[in-house]
Amino acid sequence: QVHLQESGPGLVKPSQTLSLTCTVSGGSTSSTDHYWNWIRQTAGEGLEWIGRIHTTKSTNYNPSLKSRATISIETSKSHFSLNLTSVTAADTAIYFCAREDGLRGFVFDYWGQGILVTVSS
Amino acid sequence: QSVLTQPPSASGAPGQRVTISCTGSSSNIGANYDVHWYRQLPGTAPKLLIYGNTNRPSGVPDRFSASRSGTSASLAITGLQAEDEADYYCQSYDSTLSGLHYVFGPGTKVTVL
Repeated sequence: QVHLQESGPGLVKPSQTLSLTCTVSGGSTSSTDHYWNWIRQTAGEGLEWIGRIHTTKSTNYNPSLKSRATISIETSKSHFSLNLTSVTAADTAIYFCAREDGLRGFVFDYWGQGILVTVSS
Repeated sequence: QSVLTQPPSASGAPGQRVTISCTGSSSNIGANYDVHWYRQLPGTAPKLLIYGNTNRPSGVPDRFSASRSGTSASLAITGLQAEDEADYYCQSYDSTLSGLHYVFGPGTKVTVL
């Protein structure tokens, strides 16, 4: 059973960088059949896809984030990370990491429990 | 503002049938991209319910079914049970000048009366 767990600070100051890590167990981040994603959820905007990374380090991002997001991966440590720069209150959300299964049509088949990040001074 | 549209709520009595629509456009569902459905219970992460328009993952009961046609998709729950009270989200891909990215519907809250 694949398990994902988000970690990182729950409070970030405006204009600073939000940094989160997702640790994967029960599955390999070296798999070529999967992508590793970050998705966030707010009461106002619902679920929003942030971006994804493959074991080859190829990345794709939501254009709405205007290049503020960077996702990296450390396959040797079975984790991947998100950096979101210049945060504002609008970035306050529950952040989920999720595995994307390329064998089943690029669907998010496993999710972490989520971590609440609040942007406030 | 979601590019996929869902009704904010749906309800039914136990044993009844409930359907949830997901309406997109020619840049997403109408472009023949797959639609997936997720269920989210309060305080938990979304969980995959349907993938590839019509397919149920192992463990999802056949009370859940889905379809896609044109620029829309729909999820049906038959034999509604109290445990089906949750938020349901559709997800697809959207192609813009900036590239292909994933999009979600705003979610539909299902209430069992």
